[in-house]
Formats: sequence, C-alpha cells, structure tokens
Amino acid sequence: KQEVTQIPAALSVPEGENLVLNCSFTDSAIYNLQWFRQDPGKGLTSLLLIQSSQREQTSGRLNASLDKSSGRSTLYIAASQPGDSATYLCAGTSGNTGKLIFGQGTTLQVKP
Amino acid sequence: ETGVTQTPRHLVMGMTNKKSLKCEQHLGHNAMYWYKQSAKKPLELMFVYSLEERVENNSVPSRFSPECPNSSHLFLHLHTLQPEDSALYLCASSPYRGLDTQYFGPGTRLTVL
Repeated sequence: KQEVTQIPAALSVPEGENLVLNCSFTDSAIYNLQWFRQDPGKGLTSLLLIQSSQREQTSGRLNASLDKSSGRSTLYIAASQPGDSATYLCAGTSGNTGKLIFGQGTTLQVKP
Repeated sequence: ETGVTQTPRHLVMGMTNKKSLKCEQHLGHNAMYWYKQSAKKPLELMFVYSLEERVENNSVPSRFSPECPNSSHLFLHLHTLQPEDSALYLCASSPYRGLDTQYFGPGTRLTVL
C-alpha cells in the first residue's frame, strides 16, 4: 500500500531564502509524482508533474525532482517570496487508475 | 467560466438532511474525481468516474452517493451524515483516468451539525 510522507509539516523562512520541501513514498512502483499548492480554504493548484520516466521538472522558481529508487521527491523553491506562503502537497499515482495518494502537506510561511 | 467549479462553497446541514454537492468542469475532460479533506488528515480519494462510469469507490459509506450524468457534471448526494463527515470536499478532473494532471475545484466546506 502506497503511503506518502512530507517533512517538515511546517516551515517558516525569511523572504529571499532558497528552500527544499521533502516528500517520501513507500512503493517505488510509483507512476508519477505531482506537487500541488493549496491556499487556506481553497482548492489545489497543480505546480509540477513528474512522469515515471523523468527525474525532474522545472517551472519558474520551482524545481521538483523524483528519485524512485530511494522513494523520494523534493520541491526546490528559489528566492522565496511572501506570495509563496501556502500548503504544499505531494501526491503519487500508484498504478494507472489515476488514484492519487497524498501526503499531509508542508505549510510554508515566507516572512517579508 | 473556465476550469472546475463547485457549488455550494459552504454548506451546513443537520444529520437528517439530504443535500447535494455539484461539480462542473469546462475543460473537456473525461475523468472526474471526488476527494475528502479532513482536518489533520491527508486528502482521500472517494470516487473516480471515467466517461460517466464509476470506476472506483474507495470504501466510502453509502450515505455518500455519487452521480455523473455526463462528462462535465459530477454530483455527490448526501444523506444522514455524521458530524465526522464535516470536511472540505474537493472535485477534480483530468483528460483521462490515469496519469494526467488533475485539476481541482475550490471545494465545498461542509459542516454537519
């Protein structure tokens, strides 16, 4: 059974700092890995999708990597801004059913 | 209107009420999903529909009844809920069931008294 864990649960950093959010999963037979952002009381916004055959994806200041052998994914945020404050969720797809298994999220606060 | 929309955004109901949540996607997708987000728990998949056919029921109690009349609309009918069913209910869609990015709606915040 696939389980997804995110560390840390919460993170507070000063503006401008580079930071890394961690995600680990128990089943290396993961098909793909997605990172989402969730603002308080809102739905999820997809940030990056890493397909099974890929090792990383980049979008602007965000870079996500996937290492299936070690069961880990990281989300790197460069030059953090107060607008980056949100909860970041990683989710893995086991099998080809589209079923996403979510971690509990990392709540990020970027202080001006 | 674009993307995935959900109504109502907030709902308060008693345990004996019957209500329905509505989701609509304007993306031309063929797969739709219901998720439940409870406080301090990971998002949980409830149901998956592909081309209007339910393809997954993730051990959800029968007091939750989904309906997908067409590929653009998804409903979640609620009856005789419990206070522990209070949560944020999120709808999502993707081009096809499988490995595509899922696009989420804003959710319905449900409170059961």
